[in-house]
Amino acid sequence: AQSVSQHNHHVILSEAASLELGCNYSYGGTVNLFWYVQYPGQHLQLLLKYFSGDPLVKGIKGFEAEFIKSKFSFNLRKPSVQWSDTAEYFCAVNGRDSGTYKYIFGTGTRLKVLA
Amino acid sequence: GAGVSQSPSNKVTEKGKDVELRCDPISGHTALYWYRQSLGQGLEFLIYFQGNSAPDKSGLPSDRFSAERTGGSVSTLTIQRTQQEDSAVYLCASSERLAGQETQYFGPGTRLLVL
Repeated sequence: AQSVSQHNHHVILSEAASLELGCNYSYGGTVNLFWYVQYPGQHLQLLLKYFSGDPLVKGIKGFEAEFIKSKFSFNLRKPSVQWSDTAEYFCAVNGRDSGTYKYIFGTGTRLKVLA
Repeated sequence: GAGVSQSPSNKVTEKGKDVELRCDPISGHTALYWYRQSLGQGLEFLIYFQGNSAPDKSGLPSDRFSAERTGGSVSTLTIQRTQQEDSAVYLCASSERLAGQETQYFGPGTRLLVL
C-alpha cells in the first residue's frame, strides 16, 4: 500500500541549529514529491517540490530537500533555523494510482524553534 | 482573490444535523481535492475531481459524506447526520495538471465542530 512516513512527530530546536526532517515513502512508479508547511493560524503552503531532474531541490526560506530514489526518501533540510520556522511540516507524494492522481500525505512534524 | 477560498471558516453544528462546506478553487484549475485534517493526524484524502471525469470517491469515510462540483468550478462537500467524530478541519485544494506534474494549492479550511 502507498504510504508516507514522517518519523519525527515533534522537533524542538534552538535558533541557528540545523534541521533535517525525515520523509520516506512507499509508492510504485513515478512519483512527485512535496513538502508543505503550515504556520500557526495559517493554511498549508507549498515549501518545495520535486518532479524530475536534479534531486536536490531548493525551496522558499532557505529550505532544501534531497530525493534519494534508492532510499525512497525526501528529507527536508535547513542549515540554520529561525524562530519564524516554527510550524508543522508535511511531506507528500503524488503519483499515478489506478489511473488517477492521488496525493498521500505524512502525518506531519511539528517544529518548535526556541528563540 | 487569486487563491483557493473556503466557506464558512468555522462551523458549529449539533449532532445529527447536515452541513455543507464550500470550496472555490483557483480559476482555471481542473483538479479539486477535499481532505480532512484531524488533530494530530495527517491529511486524510476524501474525494478528487478532475475535469469532467467521474470523481474519485475512494476516500469518503461513509455514505453520509458526498461532494459535487458544479460547472467544473465550485465544489460542495456535504456531511449528513453529522457525528462528533466528524469534527475536524476540512481542506480543499486545487491544481492544474501539466504534463503529469501538478502542484496543489490549499484553501484555509473549514473548521467543523459537532457538538
